[in-house]
Amino acid sequence: SYVLTQPPSVSVAPRKAARITCEGNNIGSKSVHWYQQKPGQAPVLVVHDDSDRPSDIPERFSGSNSGNTATLTISRVEAGDEADYYCQVWDSSSDVVFGGGTKLTVL
Amino acid sequence: QVQLQESGPGLVKPSETLSLTCTVSGGSISGDYWSWIRQPPGKGLEWLGYVFYTGSTNYNPSLKSRVTISVDTSKNQFSLKLSSVTAADTAVYYCASLGGDFRSPYLDYWGQGTLVTVSS
Repeated sequence: SYVLTQPPSVSVAPRKAARITCEGNNIGSKSVHWYQQKPGQAPVLVVHDDSDRPSDIPERFSGSNSGNTATLTISRVEAGDEADYYCQVWDSSSDVVFGGGTKLTVL
Repeated sequence: QVQLQESGPGLVKPSETLSLTCTVSGGSISGDYWSWIRQPPGKGLEWLGYVFYTGSTNYNPSLKSRVTISVDTSKNQFSLKLSSVTAADTAVYYCASLGGDFRSPYLDYWGQGTLVTVSS
């Protein structure tokens, strides 16, 4: 089965950029999707197909994907961005695969 | 905008079958794929499976023997059954729509989730 690996935690100061990685074997050949989950709430799609944003997601959220690493970048981080973030791909053998999640802490 | 709402018992006894229903509003269930995901307390997301409006399904291989997902287009609902549950099945269960390109779909709309506890 396909495995996605995320760092358990990332910390960033307000107004700085946060980068959350998602590693997988040749992940650059797949489309990566990202979800934000705040405590007690359902996940929300923030980036799909590597770098596209749903219309209601701020431009501060962006994504990239190449080689064995996909990255979600949140520029000018705000306190309200503090949440868990999950990457997800579709794999022919495993279907929907999630990464283990990364807790973003705003210092 | 599509809205999803899970419903079902919040407490299930060990060895019994967990049953949940997801009601879709603001759009038709026809033409799309619909999925179930769960999240044990304090842990990450686990995909359980999906159903197409025609009734065709696909399940997480690790749970395939215990999971059944079905659809009722007349009620705009789809359902989850998980048999022979244990405490390890205690989780928040989410229903969601599966959108995007069929070669790489993503979960675009989610229900609020419902906590199911397995305990005697």
